[in-house]
Amino acid sequence: KQEVTQIPAALSVPEGENLVLNCSFTDSAIYNLQWFRQDPGKGLTSLLLIQSSQREQTSGRLNASLDKSSGRSTLYIAASQPGDSATYLCAVIGNQFYFGTGTSLTVIP
Amino acid sequence: GAVVSQHPSWVICKSGTSVKIECRSLDFQATTMFWYRQFPKQSLMLMATSNEGSKATYEQGVEKDKFLINHASLTLSTLTVTSAHPEDSSFYICSASSGEGTDTQYFGPGTRLTVL
Repeated sequence: KQEVTQIPAALSVPEGENLVLNCSFTDSAIYNLQWFRQDPGKGLTSLLLIQSSQREQTSGRLNASLDKSSGRSTLYIAASQPGDSATYLCAVIGNQFYFGTGTSLTVIP
Repeated sequence: GAVVSQHPSWVICKSGTSVKIECRSLDFQATTMFWYRQFPKQSLMLMATSNEGSKATYEQGVEKDKFLINHASLTLSTLTVTSAHPEDSSFYICSASSGEGTDTQYFGPGTRLTVL
């Protein structure tokens, strides 16, 4: 069974810093990988979807990379802002979505 | 486009009662809908997958007689938690797919269930 791990579990940074969130998975036979944002008590907001044939995707200040062979993905956030504070989830997509436990990010003004 | 809604957004009920949660795809036809459960500080766990007009497929460990899923139309799926207990308190999130494959799911905003 696919297992998805996200490190760190929590991260606190001052505003303006660049940061990297990590996601690792055990089974490299995946279709895609998707990063989501979840605000407290809310649903999921899709950030980036990386197809298995791609190595990275970019949207604004966000850049996600995928290395299937090593079972890793990273989400890079540039010039962090207080509004980026949320929990970030990665989901590995095989025959179903497998979610990690998330990284809780706090950006301090 | 591709908006999924859930109703209610939160519900509090007494132990032993049943609660129904609705999941609707507002601007597309959802061939497949998925129900997830998320406990505090834990990841989303898939409970079941439902296809319009057929019985839901439940993940291992999920009681199908307790969590009744109905996908009667291409825009509506319902999850009924029967005889709810405090341990059923959780955040329930649905998602919907238009049949393009499991790599395209649109997520609802979630329903917070608290069982007293």
